[in-house]
Amino acid sequence: GQQLNQSPQSMFIQEGEDVSMNCTSSSIFNTWLWYKQEPGEGPVLLIALYKAGELTSNGRLTAQFGITRKDSFLNISASIPSDVGIYFCAGQLVREYGNKLVFGAGTILRVKS
Amino acid sequence: DGGITQSPKYLFRKEGQNVTLSCEQNLNHDAMYWYRQDPGQGLRLIYYSQIVNDFQKGDIAEGYSVSREKKESFPLTVTSAQKNPTAFYLCASSSRTGDLFSYNEQFFGPGTRLTVL
Repeated sequence: GQQLNQSPQSMFIQEGEDVSMNCTSSSIFNTWLWYKQEPGEGPVLLIALYKAGELTSNGRLTAQFGITRKDSFLNISASIPSDVGIYFCAGQLVREYGNKLVFGAGTILRVKS
Repeated sequence: DGGITQSPKYLFRKEGQNVTLSCEQNLNHDAMYWYRQDPGQGLRLIYYSQIVNDFQKGDIAEGYSVSREKKESFPLTVTSAQKNPTAFYLCASSSRTGDLFSYNEQFFGPGTRLTVL
C-alpha cells in the first residue's frame, strides 16, 4: 500500500532544544495531519493542514504543508520533558473514499532534562 | 464529555479463540475505523465504515471481521484465522463535511492491547 517516509526514526535531545521532523511521499495528499502518541494511549491530533504551502502553529508546534503536496514538516521549539512520545504524520489521499489515511512509521522523541 | 471509548484496555486470548474488541463513540461521527499498531510501524488500516450497515476492507483485513449496526458502535472481531494477532488496536472516527469524499480529521480512542498466549 501507500507509504510515508518519516524521519528521523528517533531523537534524544536536551531540554530546551528545538526539534524538527518531516514526512515525504511519492503521492499527492490533500490533507496532512500530525499526531502525538504517548505510551499505551491512542494518538492525539496536534495540527491539521489543508492547503499546499499552509503554515500552522499550535503553541510551540509549527507545521507546514509542502508546496508540492508530497511533504510536510513539524517543528517543536524549546522542548520540554512532556514532549516525550511518538509523533506520527498522516496524509489523506486526494478524493479517497472514506477519508482513508496513510501513516508514517513515527518519530520517537526523548527529552533529557 | 464526547469521545471514543474502547474496551477492554488489555485483552488476553488463547490461540484458536475468536475475540471481539469494542469501540463506541458519542461524537455523532459518520465514519469509524480500526487500525492495528505494531512496534516501530505506523498504523495500518484493518476496516472502515462510512455509514451504518456498510463497511470496507482496509489494507490488512484478513483474519478480522466487523459490523456497523449502530452509528455509535463499530466492534472488531479478531478471528482464529488471524495468524499474528498480538498487537495494539486503535479505533478512530471522523465526521463528514460533505459528500463521501469529504471528512474532517480522525480522532482516536485509547486503544486495546491484545496478547495471544
